[in-house]
Amino acid sequence: DQQVKQNSPSLSVQEGRISILNCDYTNSMFDYFLWYKKYPAEGPTFLISISSIKDKNEDGRFTVFLNKSAKHLSLHIVPSQPGDSAVYFCAASEQGGSEKLVFGKGTKLTVNP
Amino acid sequence: DVKVTQSSRYLVKRTGEKVFLECVQDMDHENMFWYRQDPGLGLRLIYFSYDVKMKEKGDIPEGYSVSREKKERFSLILESASTNQTSMYLCASGDLGTIGGELFFGEGSRLTVL
Repeated sequence: DQQVKQNSPSLSVQEGRISILNCDYTNSMFDYFLWYKKYPAEGPTFLISISSIKDKNEDGRFTVFLNKSAKHLSLHIVPSQPGDSAVYFCAASEQGGSEKLVFGKGTKLTVNP
Repeated sequence: DVKVTQSSRYLVKRTGEKVFLECVQDMDHENMFWYRQDPGLGLRLIYFSYDVKMKEKGDIPEGYSVSREKKERFSLILESASTNQTSMYLCASGDLGTIGGELFFGEGSRLTVL
């Protein structure tokens, strides 16, 4: 039973355009969401997060949107750069509850020059 | 900067061998985790620990055990390696359950079992 779903295994965009990565979750107890970025042969690195009390969080070129009623979040990268090519994992946790993150299967983003 | 260090980046072992994967973190985190990453399956939690000598099974604990004798060190043990344990193994630490909690990952250990 997948609690965090990333339904697009891959996404390809042109440099300079917007990349939108999507994530859906089923557990209504999740209230903290994170995005991680992973290059081949390296460990994931934290990118951006959002608490359920917000619907948007921005950090430079990266913005995460949360729609609690739809149990959906998205990561927007504007403008996309070739160095953004990586696998992006969506993750969720329960604050003050389970002390573990649940990850989606990841979306491989390719930004073409 | 937080540092999570995994002892081996690449290992090649034979079926039936005992394998130790070591992980050390320098941020005094309570929680430590072992994940494996496989293509199309994402990150799957094997075991985690929220305190010294404490351990909890994750989603796929079969064929693995762990040891946490010191707060900064968390070891993953494959008692008898099998080919289906060929994977990228990722150690992480963090203080989840608090506002803004996140996990910090090591660089990974790529294990091949022949």
